[in-house]
Amino acid sequence: DSGVTQTPKHLITATGQRVTLRCSPRSGDLSVYWYQQSLDQGLQFLIQYYNGEERAKGNILERFSAQQFPDLHSELNLSSLELGDSALYFCASSAGTGESSYNEQFFGPGTRLTVL
Amino acid sequence: AQKITQTQPGMFVQEKEAVTLDCTYDTSDPSYGLFWYKQPSSGEMIFLIYQGSYDQQNATEGRYSLNFQKARKSANLVISASQLGDSAMYFCAMREGSYTGTASKLTFGTGTRLQVTL
Repeated sequence: DSGVTQTPKHLITATGQRVTLRCSPRSGDLSVYWYQQSLDQGLQFLIQYYNGEERAKGNILERFSAQQFPDLHSELNLSSLELGDSALYFCASSAGTGESSYNEQFFGPGTRLTVL
Repeated sequence: AQKITQTQPGMFVQEKEAVTLDCTYDTSDPSYGLFWYKQPSSGEMIFLIYQGSYDQQNATEGRYSLNFQKARKSANLVISASQLGDSAMYFCAMREGSYTGTASKLTFGTGTRLQVTL
């Protein structure tokens, strides 16, 4: 158990709908990352938040948005869903504070999104 | 250009044998980190081992070791004494950017599916 929790575990929805994925980082971790794993694109970085602020952006579509709340949990919002958005969405967290030889990212169990 | 290349889509190894999973990377950043993750069929991503670009020695974690050849830009994972439970997808990943301080994103390879046989 990595200490990162994600809900829901599975989500089935229809095209055009909007969903929210939730992530709680490990206790004390300030950075949250979102990744998408799909068959055709592989594992791709979407976005990073650090202590409530957006830190880095990857291949995140405009239909997707995220935020990190004061209690450090994060939500990924996916709207106007398309069939191609079906994927496993991972949240990861890391300490990201101070000096460290490295910052391991601990991954949650993922949310499997199926768009029908 | 691919930043992380894993050329072996699938590998077979017999139980108790050693296996090497290949990973090459491409970066112009002098400070970077290389990671290996295991993804079993259940889907979670499990961190295995890390190598920093300035580390003088190859990283080891139990049965896992990382064969880091900086000049060749390769970071192969060696699993010794394979077990049936090692059957999974294995991903090599790289973190570029500052060596210390706030973490930055990981770039992943396409993965290698390892099957351990009796």
